[in-house]
Amino acid sequence: AQSVTQPDIHITVSEGASLELRCNYSYGATPYLFWYVQSPGQGLQLLLKYFSGDTLVQGIKGFEAEFKRSQSSFNLRKPSVHWSDAAEYFCAVGADSNYQLIWGAGTKLIIKP
Amino acid sequence: DGGITQSPKYLFRKEGQNVTLSCEQNLNHDAMYWYRQDPGQGLRLIYYSQIVNDFQKGDIAEGYSVSREKKESFPLTVTSAQKNPTAFYLCASSRGLAGNTGELFFGEGSRLTVL
Repeated sequence: AQSVTQPDIHITVSEGASLELRCNYSYGATPYLFWYVQSPGQGLQLLLKYFSGDTLVQGIKGFEAEFKRSQSSFNLRKPSVHWSDAAEYFCAVGADSNYQLIWGAGTKLIIKP
Repeated sequence: DGGITQSPKYLFRKEGQNVTLSCEQNLNHDAMYWYRQDPGQGLRLIYYSQIVNDFQKGDIAEGYSVSREKKESFPLTVTSAQKNPTAFYLCASSRGLAGNTGELFFGEGSRLTVL
């Protein structure tokens, strides 16, 4: 069965430091992969997505993610975080012709001043 | 601006009462979804609809009901049969199948508390 694991429930990073959020998936074929961000009390917004091609994808707000098939991973990165990046981040996997995404449990990002 | 509007933002309910959460979209999307979000559990799909007058159960449909009489509207009723209804509810829409396009557009959510 498909599954998505985000190993870190929360991560604390100093403002200006680099960030990497981990995401591992289990899926039989090449999946479609997504990262969403949720600000407190709000809905989710798509940060970036991977369907095929270049394994390094760029998203909004300066985020990028790299698909590594050998590690079944799709980690999210940002070179320098800002206080406004404090939010919860969700990794998700989908498949062609599928009506739904499979979601990770989320990683809460805390920014230290 | 196009988007998804959920109401109410906060709702309190006594045990044994049904409540209906509203979801309206003006994005002209065919597909609409209802998710439940609990701390540490990610998003769980309650119901989805790919077209007017048609909808399917998701992973946790028990105790919930929906209707899709108009393309723009997909209300969710939390019935008294839902044993643990206190949660944050998110409505979303997509142009096509979510697993294909991956781009879900979300409302700001409705927080339901059962007293």
